[in-house]
Amino acid sequence: DGGITQSPKYLFRKEGQNVTLSCEQNLNHDAMYWYRQDPGQGLRLIYYSQIVNDFQKGDIAEGYSVSREKKESFPLTVTSAQKNPTAFYLCASSRGLASPQSSYNEQFFGPGTRLTVL
Amino acid sequence: RKEVEQDPGPFNVPEGATVAFNCTYSNSASQSFFWYRQDCRKEPKLLMSVYSSGNEDGRFTAQLNRASQYISLLIRDSKLSDSATYLCVVNIPTGRRALTFGSGTRLQVQP
Repeated sequence: DGGITQSPKYLFRKEGQNVTLSCEQNLNHDAMYWYRQDPGQGLRLIYYSQIVNDFQKGDIAEGYSVSREKKESFPLTVTSAQKNPTAFYLCASSRGLASPQSSYNEQFFGPGTRLTVL
Repeated sequence: RKEVEQDPGPFNVPEGATVAFNCTYSNSASQSFFWYRQDCRKEPKLLMSVYSSGNEDGRFTAQLNRASQYISLLIRDSKLSDSATYLCVVNIPTGRRALTFGSGTRLQVQP
């Protein structure tokens, strides 16, 4: 059963704590992405990775960190430096770009993690 | 100006109606376009890709207008189950190798 899994589904964190959100895919996709969605808002890109051992900052990377040690895994750490971390976090993956000029492939999303800071 | 802009709605339509959404994008060099559907408190799911020639999937038709830099989604014979937020997605070729999502248009189909 191919797809993207995220865990946990709900996460509660105390202020000042770091927390790591898991994202795993078995679609053999090269590219993976993390988005944040606030209530009634669109998706904002946090970090993305087009290949193992490489990743780039998105629009709102401050207070977050990622790693890409394995093709199938792209964990996101929400650090205490993130001032307003309560949100819905979505992980996605896609086939990588064949070249910088090639068309983009569609992204597939995991079910998301709802993070609440207490 | 936003890179990808959508009317947030909500569009309230009766069952059986035809409804259309537009989405404008800022960069004329964009080449990849999609429509996603997002149900409340769920992840976005791909509805359809948008090709230069347009494409149709059952009751759904997507069109691309490069001259005016917009894409459209037409839903015919609306069902209650079509109620959702529809996200317009475009690649913005500014060096960032990731898709850009619009904020979405909310559709509410009423009995």
